[in-house]
Amino acid sequence: QKEVEQDPGPLSVPEGAIVSLNCTYSNSAFQYFMWYRQYSRKGPELLMYTYSSGNKEDGRFTAQVDKSSKYISLFIRDSQPSDSATYLCAMSVQNTGNQFYFGTGTSLTVIP
Amino acid sequence: DAGITQSPRHKVTETGTPVTLRCHQTENHRYMYWYRQDPGHGLRLIHYSYGVKDTDKGEVSDGYSVSRSKTEDFLLTLESATSSQTSVYFCAMGGQIYEQYFGPGTRLTVT
Repeated sequence: QKEVEQDPGPLSVPEGAIVSLNCTYSNSAFQYFMWYRQYSRKGPELLMYTYSSGNKEDGRFTAQVDKSSKYISLFIRDSQPSDSATYLCAMSVQNTGNQFYFGTGTSLTVIP
Repeated sequence: DAGITQSPRHKVTETGTPVTLRCHQTENHRYMYWYRQDPGHGLRLIHYSYGVKDTDKGEVSDGYSVSRSKTEDFLLTLESATSSQTSVYFCAMGGQIYEQYFGPGTRLTVT
């Protein structure tokens, strides 16, 4: 079993929809939870991070962490065609190299 | 991305040849990482560095070596390239436990 599981999709939604992206994990020691966006043929871009449980909002994006269920979510409100990308979750725990553990990514297409 | 570059951006090489990929950062970050990204596997850590001359193995380190002689440079060497090493390689830099910033990637094809 992988430490981080993410549904690869693909997910296709109409413009303006609310998008929900999710990851589950098995390691209860994870402390920080990150979301990355990756456009085709580009490097991943850090969107936001959350420490421990709770919510964090940044514009149209909201990240949620439920440590009791080992479940994290990213919500995108009023989705735009420019949000079409692959979204990767990542998690980290304090160790020598501050290593990240990534999900495989969910491909999202927002249809105008 | 700004502050981190990779070279070359594309490379085609033959099986059995050595290949070196270079990562250069201008942000003075302590940590640097090499990943490979393949369909169905996502990002997998090859090696990482937590300081000059301080490196360690990641999940998929067989067939790869790294060196970091300066804070700003992190080199990845494929000692004898194989077709299974055809992939997109990403370098990343980081300072805090919650941040890694990625380079633009190198597309490597081993024929």
